Amino acid sequence: DGGITQSPKYLFRKEGQNVTLSCEQNLNHDAMYWYRQDPGQGLRLIYYSQIVNDFQKGDIAEGYSVSREKKESFPLTVTSAQKNPTAFYLCASSLRGAANEKLFFGSGTQLSVL
Amino acid sequence: QQQVKQSPQSLIVQKGGISIINCAYENTAFDYFPWYQQFPGKGPALLIAIRPDVSEKKEGRFTISFNKSAKQFSLHIMDSQPGDSATYFCAASYNNNDMRFGAGTRLTVKP
Repeated sequence: DGGITQSPKYLFRKEGQNVTLSCEQNLNHDAMYWYRQDPGQGLRLIYYSQIVNDFQKGDIAEGYSVSREKKESFPLTVTSAQKNPTAFYLCASSLRGAANEKLFFGSGTQLSVL
Repeated sequence: QQQVKQSPQSLIVQKGGISIINCAYENTAFDYFPWYQQFPGKGPALLIAIRPDVSEKKEGRFTISFNKSAKQFSLHIMDSQPGDSATYFCAASYNNNDMRFGAGTRLTVKP
């Protein structure tokens, strides 16, 4: 079954703690993305990567970090610097990251603050 | 800043009716306009998309109407079914790394 797997489905963060959200894809896609979804708002881009060992900031990168050591994996770390981390986080991929490509999304991770 | 404005925020339609969701954009450089469908607890999935060189695209019960001069596009769902109940997002981009999403419309189709 090809697709994008995000884990965990639910995650709780204590104040001052860093947490890491996992995203794995077996679609052999070059490009991967992280979006944040808040109620009543559209998806906002956090980070994207078009190639291994390279990534770019999106609109709301502050308080987040990523790595792209393998083509299949694009983990997102929510650091303690992100003061309002409660949101639904979506990982996506596309074939090359070129214009007009279909985005494939995972099922998301709901992050909440304890 | 929001470059794609979507309305209404929520919509209730009777089974068999027509659901209409509207979007307006600001950046004339946008040249790709997809619609995504999202069920609760799931990621969005591409429903249908249009390029600005056509005014309408139809796939089954779903139709996108596009008005380039007005910088508006809309999704029409004909013969709406309870299984269509979901949140719908319009989006616009000129490259995938700069895709702008609307705020979403929660559609409820009543039996």
